[in-house]
Amino acid sequence: KAGVTQTPRYLIKTRGQQVTLSCSPISGHRSVSWYQQTPGQGLQFLFEYFSETQRNKGNFPGRFSGRQFSNSRSEMNVSTLELGDSALYLCASSPQGLYELDEQFFGPGTRLTVL
Amino acid sequence: GNSVTQMEGPVTLSEEAFLTINCTYTATGYPSLFWYVQYPGEGLQLLLKATKADDKGSNKGFEATYRKETTSFHLEKGSVQVSDSAVYFCALSDRGFKTIFGAGTRLFVKA
Repeated sequence: KAGVTQTPRYLIKTRGQQVTLSCSPISGHRSVSWYQQTPGQGLQFLFEYFSETQRNKGNFPGRFSGRQFSNSRSEMNVSTLELGDSALYLCASSPQGLYELDEQFFGPGTRLTVL
Repeated sequence: GNSVTQMEGPVTLSEEAFLTINCTYTATGYPSLFWYVQYPGEGLQLLLKATKADDKGSNKGFEATYRKETTSFHLEKGSVQVSDSAVYFCALSDRGFKTIFGAGTRLFVKA
């Protein structure tokens, strides 16, 4: 079974631009979560989707948004990029996610650099 | 709110040394607890988990026991290898549709 895939793997943008990151979960997994990883802040939860519905979100500004499609694939978008948005963005999927007690399966991440 | 606190790194050990990485948590209810590992240039992968008090999770020689009385989930390994060098994250899942991670502990193992 293929793992979680994320595209692109690396991205360089300039301040003020917007970016869209994509995540394909493991086949059959319906829950997709997004995290931002930085050296200073560690792993910060962005949001979680299940069956196209956002069930939880972290403390990020409205510039960060996401969505999930009917095939469980997910995208996240960051508008008006700031230097501080430079980070590794990780996507994770889990089988059911109903109570989120399942372990999560992580993709390799997208490394975003904002210049 | 719920939180996870783990010992700061880096931790540097010689090969075959004993490893302990401390993790304590704050949570209401009965969370599940996890240890994830991140190797350089990769995403996180599950190392072990425990879903209720007194459960012991184990994998690849690593162990951790869910201690509700001390709200702890310390990671241990009897004899580390160079290949164990990575960042280790303690985490909890609180049925709130999200997983809360500790800050991570970097482990260096010298040959």
